[in-house]
Amino acid sequence: GAVVSQHPSWVICKSGTSVKIECRSLDFQATTMFWYRQFPKQSLMLMATSNEGSKATYEQGVEKDKFLINHASLTLSTLTVTSAHPEDSSFYICSANDRDLYGYTFGSGTRLTVV
Amino acid sequence: KQEVTQIPAALSVPEGENLVLNCSFTDSAIYNLQWFRQDPGKGLTSLLLIQSSQREQTSGRLNASLDKSSGRSTLYIAASQPGDSATYLCAVRMDSSYKLIFGSGTRLLVRP
Repeated sequence: GAVVSQHPSWVICKSGTSVKIECRSLDFQATTMFWYRQFPKQSLMLMATSNEGSKATYEQGVEKDKFLINHASLTLSTLTVTSAHPEDSSFYICSANDRDLYGYTFGSGTRLTVV
Repeated sequence: KQEVTQIPAALSVPEGENLVLNCSFTDSAIYNLQWFRQDPGKGLTSLLLIQSSQREQTSGRLNASLDKSSGRSTLYIAASQPGDSATYLCAVRMDSSYKLIFGSGTRLLVRP
């Protein structure tokens, strides 16, 4: 089946710094990847759709200058949280789809804590 | 606008019991429906994928059904085990989009 690897699994950063999260499709090529945010005991909220070779599409209410997405290759998408603040602390998860063979595969998530 | 609802929000059962988790959606024009499991602090693990033309899918002790016309899906877990304790999420993909729309999940606790 399709495998999506996400790193780091957790990160603690100081307020005002930037943090980059990587999402890789290990055994398939993903022209589209998705980034989600999840608050405690809540379901996933789609933040943006990452498109290889073009600009990401952001959901309403998501600041594109705060959450920078780069999808430079068919196997890698990155999410950079810029000038992080404590309210950005959350669980971020990426996902991708391998030609609809297995539905959507998710990464293991990244727990971001901004102090 | 598609809305996905999961009932119950939480469920506690003794080990060995068979159980059913429910998922309903308001717009029947779905491409497929997927059930996931999420353990605390972890990502999502795909359990079953049902295409819109299918009625059910089975994997081990899990069986998922889909009734598009009534906007419902169920996840049946046979002979539940403590290791089944997790949050179960259903998500639909619409015909017109690559996006997944998630329910709010059912938190399952299987007591030894």
